[in-house]
This record gives sequence, C-alpha cells and structure tokens, in this order.
Amino acid sequence: AQSVTQLDSHVSVSEGTPVLLRCNYSSSYSPSLFWYVQHPNKGLQLLLKYTSAATLVKGINGFEAEFKKSETSFHLTKPSAHMSDAAEYFCVVTLNTGFQKLVFGTGTRLLVSP
Amino acid sequence: EAQVTQNPRYLITVTGKKLTVTCSQNMNHEYMSWYRQDPGLGLRQIYYSMNVEVTDKGDVPEGYKVSRKEKRNFPLILESPSPNQTSLYFCASSTQPNYGYTFGSGTRLTVV
Repeated sequence: AQSVTQLDSHVSVSEGTPVLLRCNYSSSYSPSLFWYVQHPNKGLQLLLKYTSAATLVKGINGFEAEFKKSETSFHLTKPSAHMSDAAEYFCVVTLNTGFQKLVFGTGTRLLVSP
Repeated sequence: EAQVTQNPRYLITVTGKKLTVTCSQNMNHEYMSWYRQDPGLGLRQIYYSMNVEVTDKGDVPEGYKVSRKEKRNFPLILESPSPNQTSLYFCASSTQPNYGYTFGSGTRLTVV
C-alpha cells in the first residue's frame, strides 16, 4: 500500500530565505506525486506534479520538487520565501493503476516572518 | 471558469438531522471524490466515483452516502449526522487522477 510521510509539521523561515518541505513516500508501484497548497480558509491548489517524466519538476510561484527514487523522497523547495507563501502544504501520492486513489500526508504549515 | 462548486460553505446542524452537501463541476470530469480534513490527520477520502453510477468507498465511509446520477454532480449525504462528523469537507474532480485534482473551496460542517 502507498503512504506519505511529511517529516515536519511546521517549518519557519524568514522572508527571502530558502524553503525546504520534506516528503517521503512508500509505494509498491510507479507513483505519481503531487504537492498541494492550502491558504487559510481556501481550498487546495495544485502546486506541481511528478508523473514519471523529468525528475525535477517546476511548479507555480517559483516552487520545485525533485523525485529521488533511491531515497523515496519528493521534497519541495523554493529559493526565496515570500510572505504570501505562508500556508499549509500537502504531499500526495497516487498509484498509476486502478482508481489511482490519492493518499495525503498530514501537512506542513509554513510560517514566513518578515 | 473551470471550477468545482460546493454548497453550502458553512453549515451548523443538530445531531440526527439529515443533510446534503452539494458538489458540481463544469469540466466534464469523470473522476470525483469527497474528502474530510481534520487537524493532524490531513485529508481522508470518504467516497469516490469513476463515472456516472460508479461509486465506491474510500477510507472513512461510515455515516456517509453519495450518488452520481449525472456526470457533473456528486452530492454527499449524511443521513443521521453525529458530532464526530464535524469537519471540513472537500469535493474534488479530475479527468485523470494522475494529472491532479481540482478542489472545491470546502464546506465547514458543525454538528451539535
């Protein structure tokens, strides 16, 4: 069965410094992986996705993530944090067979200070 | 505008009073799902549908029902709500799940 572990429940950075949100996954089959962002009182928005093409994936708002099969990781990064990046981020895995059910991590809250 | 629309956004109800949360998408998507979000637990799937008249249970289906009579609509029904169903609910749709889902804005339900 597939699963996702987000290693930090909270991450605090200063504006202008790099962001690293960590995600490890477990999957018996070739996975698709996603990062979603949820701003306060909003729905979830797709940031980026990996679906077995390039291992370095670029998303919206300057975020990117690298799929590392050997480490079963899919960490989210951004070179320079902005105040508007403060939100909750979810790493998600799905199988590429059957219904392709989504399995969510428990989320990482990103706090950005001036 | 392509979107998933949920109604209502906020709902306070009493234990045992049947309610329906509606979900509609205008993107002609085959796949639709309902999730509940609780603090520290992330999002958990309640039910999903692969097309009209095709639905199945997710991870936490107890106390919920769904129907998919039309492609665009996927209502969530709570026949007899209980306080442990107090949560934030999201509907989502996709043409292919490995392309990513589009989520609605959420319904915050409180059962007293």
